Amino acid sequence: DAKTTQPNSMESNEEEPVHLPCNHSTISGTDYIHWYRQLPSQGPEYVIHGLTSNVNNRMASLAIAEDRKSSTLILHRATLRDAAVYYCILRDRRDDKIIFGKGTRLHILP
Amino acid sequence: GAVVSQHPSWVICKSGTSVKIECRSLDFQATTMFWYRQFPKQSLMLMATSNEGSKATYEQGVEKDKFLINHASLTLSTLTVTSAHPEDSSFYICSARGKLGVNTEAFFGQGTRLTVV
Repeated sequence: DAKTTQPNSMESNEEEPVHLPCNHSTISGTDYIHWYRQLPSQGPEYVIHGLTSNVNNRMASLAIAEDRKSSTLILHRATLRDAAVYYCILRDRRDDKIIFGKGTRLHILP
Repeated sequence: GAVVSQHPSWVICKSGTSVKIECRSLDFQATTMFWYRQFPKQSLMLMATSNEGSKATYEQGVEKDKFLINHASLTLSTLTVTSAHPEDSSFYICSARGKLGVNTEAFFGQGTRLTVV
């Protein structure tokens, strides 16, 4: 499985932007970069995904490095409800498995 | 997004009994379903993958006779923990996706917390 590296935990103040980094130096050409998050005592939820270009949706933005070896999930204005574990996952479009790493535990300070 | 529902949300059972957990896709046909287990403060661990009408494929180290998976329809998969023991206490999560295409998303249930006493 292609692997990703994320910081174990991060803190951010409420109403400020949050940049969650992810390194994936062994990414292959067919791997999509996916982000999921898991709120306490809940199942994971999809956040965003991309291949090469930066992506925006109502939840977040995904900035992908030009060499695709790293990416950053951007929460533009963090709220207390964004406190969760964020997982950066590589998925080959031909492979249906989602393998979770340790993720980044995001703490939001009021 | 699509909705995946798990039932029950939590269950307590006696050691030695069996417990069945249901996973339903409410608004799409789930060609493939995945079952995960998560211990406290740890990440999700994939247990098995099931395709509708086929036998499940189990990950290495997961006992197929202990964790019975049935995926009889395109909207329902069940996980039965047989002869449960306290070490089986965990958070069980299912995921479902439609027909594999370019980047087909998977959607997750809310999880089932199993406590074996």
